[in-house]
Amino acid sequence: QVQLVQSGSELKRPGASVKISCKASGYNFRNYAMNWVRQAPGQGLEWMGWVNTNTGNPTYAQGFRGRFVFSLDTSVNTAYLHIASLEVEDTAVYYCAREVEAGPGIDYWGQGSLVTVSS
Amino acid sequence: QSVLTQPPSVSAAPGQKVTISCSGSSSNLGKSDVYWYQQLPGTAPKLLIFDNSKRPSGIPDRFSGSKSGTSATLGITGLQSGDEADYYCGTWDSSLREWVFGGGTKLTVL
Repeated sequence: QVQLVQSGSELKRPGASVKISCKASGYNFRNYAMNWVRQAPGQGLEWMGWVNTNTGNPTYAQGFRGRFVFSLDTSVNTAYLHIASLEVEDTAVYYCAREVEAGPGIDYWGQGSLVTVSS
Repeated sequence: QSVLTQPPSVSAAPGQKVTISCSGSSSNLGKSDVYWYQQLPGTAPKLLIFDNSKRPSGIPDRFSGSKSGTSATLGITGLQSGDEADYYCGTWDSSLREWVFGGGTKLTVL
């Protein structure tokens, strides 16, 4: 069965960086793009962008260009989200979510990774 | 301010039916299929409906979806306490070239 297993919670100081992992199993990793979605505390879902798992080419949503980087390690079927220069406002749960085969669309979600940014 | 508009909350008694609306525009729901997600408290979103009205394997037929023009609707019949959750609609916006979500609707089963 399809599974997306994300790395655990992180507590960071403002200005630090964080890297979240998302390990996929149960399907051919390179056949499905990977999306990243943010959910701030008590708020809704916000699409951050997606990465083509075949080419590695990322696409970032308007509000996530600059400090956010999507990357892959296809040898271990894992997608990564790196956030630089963390701000308190980056405190959120970050989800990886698989793109459907004939997208656009999102089907399977990881369990989420909580990033807390606090001084 | 979300691109797709949902009511913040809906409620109904156990066993009853409820509908959740999702309103968009010609650049999103007017062109692309709608997806619906259920987010139980403290958990990740889960796909409920794809391609406007299709249910993934394992989703009971108490959940249904429809789309007309620039609006979509999620219906839930035979409400159960376990249906209490936040529900989100989502679709592709061809003008923004981004995936967009509604603001979410909190369902309370009275």
